[in-house]
Order: sequence, then C-alpha cells, then structure tokens
Amino acid sequence: GQSLEQPSEVTAVEGAIVQINCTYQTSGFYGLSWYQQHDGGAPTFLSYNALDGLEETGRFSSFLSRSDSYGYLLLQELQMKDSASYFCAVHTGTASKLTFGTGTRLQVTL
Amino acid sequence: GAGVSQSPSNKVTEKGKDVELRCDPISGHTALYWYRQRLGQGLEFLIYFQGNSAPDKSGLPSDRFSAERTGESVSTLTIQRTQQEDSAVYLCASRGQGSYNEQFFGPGTRLTVL
Repeated sequence: GQSLEQPSEVTAVEGAIVQINCTYQTSGFYGLSWYQQHDGGAPTFLSYNALDGLEETGRFSSFLSRSDSYGYLLLQELQMKDSASYFCAVHTGTASKLTFGTGTRLQVTL
Repeated sequence: GAGVSQSPSNKVTEKGKDVELRCDPISGHTALYWYRQRLGQGLEFLIYFQGNSAPDKSGLPSDRFSAERTGESVSTLTIQRTQQEDSAVYLCASRGQGSYNEQFFGPGTRLTVL
C-alpha cells in the first residue's frame, strides 16, 4: 500500500522561511506533488517533482530525493495569506492517481 | 475559462437515503477523479475516469458507492443508503490530456448524513 507522513502543524512568523517535510512509502512511484488548501476551499496545485532535485516557482520550492523517499516544500518570505493546509501527494501509475498525506497546517503569525 | 464546478455545494440527508453528487470538469479534460475528505484529514481517492470509462474504481468504499460519466464531461457520484460515516466533503478533479501532474479541483460537496 501507500503511506505518507508529514508534520501535522507548523507555525512561522511572517517574512520567515518554513520547510514542510514529507516521507513516503509507495509502489509504482511516478512523482511527488504539493497542494495548498485554505479552510473551506479547494486544493490548488503548487508543484511537482518527478526527478531528484529542487524545483523553484516564485516563493515556493519543492525538493525530491527518490532514493530516500523524501521530499519537502520550502516557502520563503512567508505572508499571512500562506496560512493554509499543505498536502504532499504521490503519483502512481500512468493515470496519475494521487495518494495524499494527511496534511500540514501552517499558521503564519505576525 | 470556467473551472471545475460541483453541485450541490452542501447536502444534508437522512441516514438511509440516496444522494447524487455532480461534477462538471473543465471542458476538454479527459481525466476525472473523485476524492473524499473527512474533517481534518487528507484526500482519499475514490475513482478515476478516462473519458467515459472507469479503469480504476479501487477507492470506492463499498457497493453503496457508484459513479458514472457521460459525454466525456459531467460525472455523477451516487451513494445509496447513506450512513453517518459517509459524511465528508466530496471533491472532484479533472486533468488535461497534455498534463500528467496537475489536477484541477472543484469546490466540493459537503455531505452531512443525519
């Protein structure tokens, strides 16, 4: 089966940098994605890593190490609007079926 | 263009009743997924459609759950004889043929079974 682990909560100060880790156990791994979900909202896509290394998109970066079954999401220059839940999700199979972690709730404070 | 839409946004039903949840994907998106999200939890995969076919139904929790898709467009998730444990937000997502990684999610239907 598939399993993913990520911290349940993280708190950081506005303007700071925060890293959210994700470890996974899966078969048929194709890649790792990150989604953001505000309370009551729909998940929105942030990033995708299929190969080892760092992908950067504006203030957000995502890293993958396939050999370690590990990835992280890095959020820089935190803003209050970044307060949300962040989910890592593994892609399995050619159908891009997603298995999600339980989410990390990020609270950005002044 | 329009994003993924779902209806109703909220549904309250009594235990034992049947419910139908609707998803309208982004036009032209051939892949469609249903997920369930219980309060404070991650998303659980339910079913995947490619066109009108469902090659992966492995996440459907029981035979009370079924789904169909027509015209390579709208999809309906049906839950028969609802139980209290079915209470959750049901999310639909679609994906374009040229993109493997990004799924576009609808706002969800919040189902409450009394």
